[in-house]
Amino acid sequence: GAVVSQHPSWVICKSGTSVKIECRSLDFQATTMFWYRQFPKQSLMLMATSNEGSKATYEQGVEKDKFLINHASLTLSTLTVTSAHPEDSSFYICSARKVAGGDTQYFGPGTRLTVL
Amino acid sequence: QKEVEQNSGPLSVPEGAIASLNCTYSDRGSQSFFWYRQYSGKSPELIMSIYSNGDKEDGRFTAQLNKASQYVSLLIRDSQPSDSATYLCAVVIGGADGLTFGKGTHLIIQP
Repeated sequence: GAVVSQHPSWVICKSGTSVKIECRSLDFQATTMFWYRQFPKQSLMLMATSNEGSKATYEQGVEKDKFLINHASLTLSTLTVTSAHPEDSSFYICSARKVAGGDTQYFGPGTRLTVL
Repeated sequence: QKEVEQNSGPLSVPEGAIASLNCTYSDRGSQSFFWYRQYSGKSPELIMSIYSNGDKEDGRFTAQLNKASQYVSLLIRDSQPSDSATYLCAVVIGGADGLTFGKGTHLIIQP
């Protein structure tokens, strides 16, 4: 199997607050996890690549100080949206790649963030 | 800019027929290609991966890759209403780590 979980599945927060999203690979180890964002009617856009034990690599245009990523173990990566604003409202989806598993990525169920 | 292109649809196919979904990509260095299915409000679900030129079959699904034409397709045989979803083509662009997604094709299977 290749099951990835995310928590929470949805969150509503006030503007200016921070929100942490967890991504876990449940039945495999993942040296690399990815964070994507999907706005309504649009496709997934890669935000950052997270490698266990090292700093995340952010895509162009993604603020690293706003979207803090920590990949502390082979089964857990977290994304913290700091000082969230309404424009950060989106569907955040993580994926994980198995150790020695090629390029295939397995996606979590996503976290729907609404910032009021 | 390295892109993945798909016709957004909607593509309407009668139940039991073959649905054909197409995708082109711009980077010749791309090596890995994936098809994901996404239901509304849900995250993508992996259908198939393909790495070599030719066809790859898995149940009712067949992926086709033509690197010379920079073209990848997905055929769904004996289409079912439950196949109605958005189908995302994803590519590992040469030198990159993450996936570059197309905008997806909205497929509707008509009972």
